[in-house]
Amino acid sequence: AQTVTQSQPEMSVQEAETVTLSCTYDTSESDYYLFWYKQPPSRQMILVIRQEAYKQQNATENRFSVNFQKAAKSFSLKISDSQLGDAAMYFCAYSSGGTSYGKLTFGQGTILTVHP
Amino acid sequence: SQTIHQWPATLVQPVGSPLSLECTVEGTSNPNLYWYRQAAGRGLQLLFYSVGIGQISSEVPQNLSASRPQDRQFILSSKKLLLSDSGFYLCAWSVGTVSTQPQHFGDGTRLSIL
Repeated sequence: AQTVTQSQPEMSVQEAETVTLSCTYDTSESDYYLFWYKQPPSRQMILVIRQEAYKQQNATENRFSVNFQKAAKSFSLKISDSQLGDAAMYFCAYSSGGTSYGKLTFGQGTILTVHP
Repeated sequence: SQTIHQWPATLVQPVGSPLSLECTVEGTSNPNLYWYRQAAGRGLQLLFYSVGIGQISSEVPQNLSASRPQDRQFILSSKKLLLSDSGFYLCAWSVGTVSTQPQHFGDGTRLSIL
């Protein structure tokens, strides 16, 4: 079974600064997808960014980018120019490729605080 | 556009009482549907998923059950709630058999068992 580990229960960053959230995963599969989801205080889960394992290029979405190290099974999220609205709990998630129907395995989450 | 509705938003139930949480999706056909539970301060755990009407897969043994009576309706139930059933329950949907499409989540139900 796949596992996802987020070793940072909490992180903080100053507004306009950069922060990196860590995620490692364990799998024996070669075809899979990795995601970062954001859960603000409103509790609605929002997809931040997605990475396909077969792609060597790191995914980017505006101020959000990932550092995908497949051999090391590491998938960190970098938030640049942090904004107050980035404050939330962030979850790293894994999904198998193939006919998996998109089932997700989540990490424990990292609470991000943004200081003005 | 697609939307997902989940209710109620908050629920307080006594131990031993029954439970029914409902989730409906609009604007798409034959979605994959999921129920997750988030315990306090922890990540989400997949409880059930469904790829079609009447097709339910359980990921973990528990006191809960799920049903899909209609294409876009997913229900989470229990006959007798336990204290350990407390948590935040999220419904989600996606399309297709592969993971290229992300999951879309509802607003969740906070369930407190007294």
